[in-house]
Amino acid sequence: GNSVTQMEGPVTLSEEAFLTINCTYTATGYPSLFWYVQYPGEGLQLLLKATKADDKGSNKGFEATYRKETTSFHLEKGSVQVSDSAVYFCALSSGGSNYKLTFGKGTLLTVNP
Amino acid sequence: DAGITQSPRHKVTETGTPVTLRCHQTENHRYMYWYRQDPGHGLRLIHYSYGVKDTDKGEVSDGYSVSRSKTEDFLLTLESATSSQTSVYFCASTFGEYSPLHFGNGTRLTVT
Repeated sequence: GNSVTQMEGPVTLSEEAFLTINCTYTATGYPSLFWYVQYPGEGLQLLLKATKADDKGSNKGFEATYRKETTSFHLEKGSVQVSDSAVYFCALSSGGSNYKLTFGKGTLLTVNP
Repeated sequence: DAGITQSPRHKVTETGTPVTLRCHQTENHRYMYWYRQDPGHGLRLIHYSYGVKDTDKGEVSDGYSVSRSKTEDFLLTLESATSSQTSVYFCASTFGEYSPLHFGNGTRLTVT
């Protein structure tokens, strides 16, 4: 079945540091890939997505490229801010009539000033 | 953002009692989901619905049932609550493929 593996946290960075959170997946067919972000006390929000190989999703300075050859969708940001502190989830979709997402375990990011 | 609300936001209940959590969305989304979030496990799918009266099991469905009698409402019932069902429960909805999931703010359930 489908599965998502993302790097274990927590990750602690200083403001303006470079961020990478690794995500690899196992899936049949051609899934769409997503990154979601969860701020304290809230539900998840979509951060970015990519629907086919070599697509790059981007939003709020975050980027991730759908790499089919390495089955990866790593999240990157060139300069993190304190406000980026949150839990980040990688996810993939199984399509068709029974559309649903499979999530990774989440990575807690803390950015210190 | 999509209007999706969960109720209650917090609940404490005793082992063996039935509990129902409600999810309500105002976006006419076809698909609705119930996930639970636990430390070290991320989000795990309990049940989902792909239309009114059309539901299916997720990966952790034992001890849970769902019902969807209207497009906007998706109910999750714990038939006889156990301590292992202490968790944060999230509802989500979407139009479908390629559309993002929109999440509620969660229900924190404690079973004592």
